[in-house]
Amino acid sequence: NAGVTQTPKFRVLKTGQSMTLLCAQDMNHEYMYWYRQDPGMGLRLIHYSVGEGTTAKGEVPDGYNVSRLKKQNFLLGLESAAPSQTSVYFCASKGAFFGQGTRLTVV
Amino acid sequence: EDQVTQSPEALRLQEGESSSLNCSYTVSGLRGLFWYRQDPGKGPEFLFTLYSAGEEKEKERLKATLTKKESFLHITAPKPEDSATYLCAVQAAGGSNYKLTFGKGTLLTVNP
Repeated sequence: NAGVTQTPKFRVLKTGQSMTLLCAQDMNHEYMYWYRQDPGMGLRLIHYSVGEGTTAKGEVPDGYNVSRLKKQNFLLGLESAAPSQTSVYFCASKGAFFGQGTRLTVV
Repeated sequence: EDQVTQSPEALRLQEGESSSLNCSYTVSGLRGLFWYRQDPGKGPEFLFTLYSAGEEKEKERLKATLTKKESFLHITAPKPEDSATYLCAVQAAGGSNYKLTFGKGTLLTVNP
């Protein structure tokens, strides 16, 4: 039972590049979330999903897109990466279960 | 707008020195209050959920309590392995998104 798995764990992007972060959960949860964590800012909600095929904006959605084509997967996309998107990204399911994070640096 | 304030920002204790962390919240109806532990380079690890004022939950040296305005995480006789950042979050009642609003955390250091 893996719980919540995020890939990749680390990534360095150049400004303007795009990438997709993958979150997979094996607990059959409906609710999934993407957060970013920055020093002094705490965890901030980017986007969330209340079920397969649904997505909604959170507190800081600009510059990100998401998709939930399958119940177990929640994808976070960066269309054109900016240095301000340098952060640690966490996926969570049902609010209580977090992945180990993706550390993203945009140069 | 839901708000969560944690204090202190950082706390340094000697091994065995009991203390409490505070989480004050403002929410339009509380569905649940969550406590997490986060170690450096790791994701938050779920500790407790409290649902109503007066509720208490315990796990090893940790005890969480809840009032209508705040929650406390009491740490009894802490050990160095309790060193971590402790996060508090609230989930508002109503709606269907179950999203959480987090505080900025308390960094706890326990010295041997």
